[in-house]
Amino acid sequence: GNSVTQMEGPVTLSEEAFLTINCTYTATGYPSLFWYVQYPGEGLQLLLKATKADDKGSNKGFEATYRKETTSFHLEKGSVQVSDSAVYFCALTLNTDKLIFGTGTRLQVFP
Amino acid sequence: EPEVTQTPSHQVTQMGQEVILRCVPISNHLYFYWYRQILGQKVEFLVSFYNNEISEKSEIFDDQFSVERPDGSNFTLKIRSTKLEDSAMYFCASSEGWGTEAFFGQGTRLTVV
Repeated sequence: GNSVTQMEGPVTLSEEAFLTINCTYTATGYPSLFWYVQYPGEGLQLLLKATKADDKGSNKGFEATYRKETTSFHLEKGSVQVSDSAVYFCALTLNTDKLIFGTGTRLQVFP
Repeated sequence: EPEVTQTPSHQVTQMGQEVILRCVPISNHLYFYWYRQILGQKVEFLVSFYNNEISEKSEIFDDQFSVERPDGSNFTLKIRSTKLEDSAMYFCASSEGWGTEAFFGQGTRLTVV
C-alpha cells in the first residue's frame, strides 16, 4: 500500500547548522508530496509541497525536491534557527484528498 | 488569520464511556477531516466529510465512530464506547475545496483509562 517513512528523531542541532530530514515514500502511482510542521501547542501547518517529479517546494528557507528515481522528498535548510524547533511531518496524497503521513521527526535547535 | 479550533485540548475518559471531540473549521471551508496519532506512531486518516455526508473513511473508522456537522459551524467526532487503544491525539482539519490545502487544528489529546 501507499506509505511514508521518515527518519526517527529527535534531530538535535546548533543554531545555523545545516538540516536534513529524510523522507521516502511508497506509492502505486504518482503522488503529491508535502511537508507539514507542528510548532509546540499548535496544529499542523503546511510548510511546502511538490506535485510532480523534479518539482522543488520551498518556504521559509526550507526546501524539498520530489525525486521519483529514489522515491524521496528530503527536507533541507541551510541554516536553522531556534524558532525552527518543531515536529516535521512528511505526507503524500494519491488520487484522493486523504493525507498519508509519516511518524514525524522532532527537531530541536539550541543556541 | 482564520484557524481551525478544537476543544477540549485534553480529555480523559473512562473505558466504555462515550466521548465527543469538537472542532470549528474555517468558516468558508467545505471539506472536513479527522486524523489521529497514537503516541509514537503515524498520523492516520480517519474520515473525510463533504456536503453533510462521509466521503471517505479508513478501516479504523468502524461503527464505534461517527461524525456530525450539527449546526453549520461545528464538526464533531463521537466515539460511542471508548477503548484503551483509542487513546491518541485527534486532529481536525478543513479545506476550501477538494485537493486544496488542509488546515489543521491543534489537536485534542484523548486519554482512555
